[in-house]
Amino acid sequence: AAGVIQSPRHLIKEKRETATLKCYPIPRHDTVYWYQQGPGQDPQFLISFYEKMQSDKGSIPDRFSAQQFSDYHSELNMSSLELGDSALYFCASSDRQGRGGTDTQYFGPGTRLTVL
Amino acid sequence: AQSVAQPEDQVNVAEGNPLTVKCTYSVSGNPYLFWYVQYPNRGLQFLLKYITGDNLVKGSYGFEAEFNKSQTSFHLKKPSALVSDSALYFCAVRGRYNTDKLIFGTGTRLQVFP
Repeated sequence: AAGVIQSPRHLIKEKRETATLKCYPIPRHDTVYWYQQGPGQDPQFLISFYEKMQSDKGSIPDRFSAQQFSDYHSELNMSSLELGDSALYFCASSDRQGRGGTDTQYFGPGTRLTVL
Repeated sequence: AQSVAQPEDQVNVAEGNPLTVKCTYSVSGNPYLFWYVQYPNRGLQFLLKYITGDNLVKGSYGFEAEFNKSQTSFHLKKPSALVSDSALYFCAVRGRYNTDKLIFGTGTRLQVFP
């Protein structure tokens, strides 16, 4: 079965640079979520989109922005990178419509961002 | 505020023995509860979820979990552990209304010894 695709899988950036992470949801899924997992920590919710509109917002820094495109893929843009942004970034997708919040979030393999 | 607690950082069990990974939650109203497993350098894989109905939920790879409302617990279980079950397990809760986010516990590392 098709899974969530994330690119790139690994990314190395310098401080103050920008980075763009991409996420391609499972086909026919309408909702995308972004999470950040620091070393040895649990995943923290950043932001989500349903049908290309922002749906919910978590602890996402103002330096970060995201959007969902007409083909449902999503991009997380990160500017003025800091050392503390080094983490594993997960994208998840779900088929939300009509499920009243019971939909399961399926996670991609993650993008490991290292900021030097 | 919603929260999830996984009281054990690590659980060790011999192959073939039953395993339990504990999870308790705190959320207003009835929760949606999930278990995910994370293998090294891999994403989170969905195991099972409780939404409503039967308190015993069966999931992937022979895992099951029991929802206990009075104890606000959702422990993950498996009758016979395999070495390949060794991984990091996360319990997560999602509130029913107006929130997308999953709130994860801190994770429990399961080590199954041959």
